[in-house]
Amino acid sequence: GAVVSQHPSWVICKSGTSVKIECRSLDFQATTMFWYRQFPKQSLMLMATSNEGSKATYEQGVEKDKFLINHASLTLSTLTVTSAHPEDSSFYICSARRNDRGYEQYFGPGTRLTVT
Amino acid sequence: GQQVMQIPQYQHVQEGEDFTTYCNSSTTLSNIQWYKQRPGGHPVFLIQLVKSGEVKKQKRLTFQFGEAKKNSSLHITATQTTDVGTYFCAGDNYGQNFVFGPGTRLSVLP
Repeated sequence: GAVVSQHPSWVICKSGTSVKIECRSLDFQATTMFWYRQFPKQSLMLMATSNEGSKATYEQGVEKDKFLINHASLTLSTLTVTSAHPEDSSFYICSARRNDRGYEQYFGPGTRLTVT
Repeated sequence: GQQVMQIPQYQHVQEGEDFTTYCNSSTTLSNIQWYKQRPGGHPVFLIQLVKSGEVKKQKRLTFQFGEAKKNSSLHITATQTTDVGTYFCAGDNYGQNFVFGPGTRLSVLP
């Protein structure tokens, strides 16, 4: 159990366009989901905490108008990268915290975004 | 802000040798978690430590949480090639921050 999926697994887009990434908890409910960004051979950087039914909490330095997060249900959070630029190219990973367990985060497989 | 450091950054060991990675936080933590990320994969939760001085074991892996709740270690006994990957610690600052360390990349030579 505790499977998290992400869609798409990879995407290539042109500068100026927007890209939506979905994160789903498949077999559990998650009031809280997290969005991370990971550069090659580097650690995960928390971008924002997504809470079902309320606004996301963004980490310092992360533009909330550029990285739109919507957590509309207990199993789905979306991250939209708006007006993407090449510097937004990265590996985006979501994780979900189970409602019936306080602390473990289950990570999705990630989405590789390339902006040309 | 809260910083989490890990050493070493890289470790190459011969199969059968032991391995240890150390994690240090600039602030006292409510809990610390350890994750393993295989090459090309995503992080997988290993364990959480909550109590001061706590020691937990998972087969060949031993996790420790320091008395001051600012540092932690992961020790692998008799490494195997399946242990290859990057080991991240992540510090939880009483819900205020959740910060991953930079990770220790382990390679195991057969």
